Amino acid sequence: DAKTTQPNSMESNEEEPVHLPCNHSTISGTDYIHWYRQLPSQGPEYVIHGLTSNVNNRMASLAIAEDRKSSTLILHRATLRDAAVYYCILRRMDSNYQLIWGAGTKLIIKP
Amino acid sequence: NAGVTQTPKFRILKIGQSMTLQCTQDMNHNYMYWYRQDPGMGLKLIYYSVGAGITDKGEVPNGYNVSRSTTEDFPLRLELAAPSQTSVYFCASSYSVGGLAGANSYNEQFFGPGTRLTVL
Repeated sequence: DAKTTQPNSMESNEEEPVHLPCNHSTISGTDYIHWYRQLPSQGPEYVIHGLTSNVNNRMASLAIAEDRKSSTLILHRATLRDAAVYYCILRRMDSNYQLIWGAGTKLIIKP
Repeated sequence: NAGVTQTPKFRILKIGQSMTLQCTQDMNHNYMYWYRQDPGMGLKLIYYSVGAGITDKGEVPNGYNVSRSTTEDFPLRLELAAPSQTSVYFCASSYSVGGLAGANSYNEQFFGPGTRLTVL
């Protein structure tokens, strides 16, 4: 059971910000929120992760709702190279802290 | 650094055959993982290892075996191939501290390019 809900696909225009939503209503206090992405025909790559506070890195920002039941991955200026499947994942104590993956959101970038 | 390498890239097996998928990492990571990915789905964890000599089952271990004799290598063995094992297999590694489960410390997982396996 993936424990996260994401839209199947989203479209965005190149050079515009992208907000990818994720619902995780059953999250517990010790669960971490992770995002990975998978470009076509490649292995996944790490994007960002957080617990309670918003997080920024060179790739993206992660905004976590105050009740932690949802989060949003923000790509500040999407390029064609950002077209990928984006996975929102909970790392949970009851899965021995391993990543349990859902189906993800396919992000389509229009030039 | 080559990162995580996997061989072979592609393989076709007949039902009942056996094979070993190879995985090597050169980043001195203590954790290593095997996942499978079916079409249109996310990854499912098969086995993982927290260090040489220590392995544990993931979500879908049936039909697979692993060993970890060195830090660098983590081979995945299929003993009696079945059509249900047709999938793309990814190996990954990471470095974690802070206990067996790495609960309080997390570093990103680095993935290999995958092995596409078809069982006919």
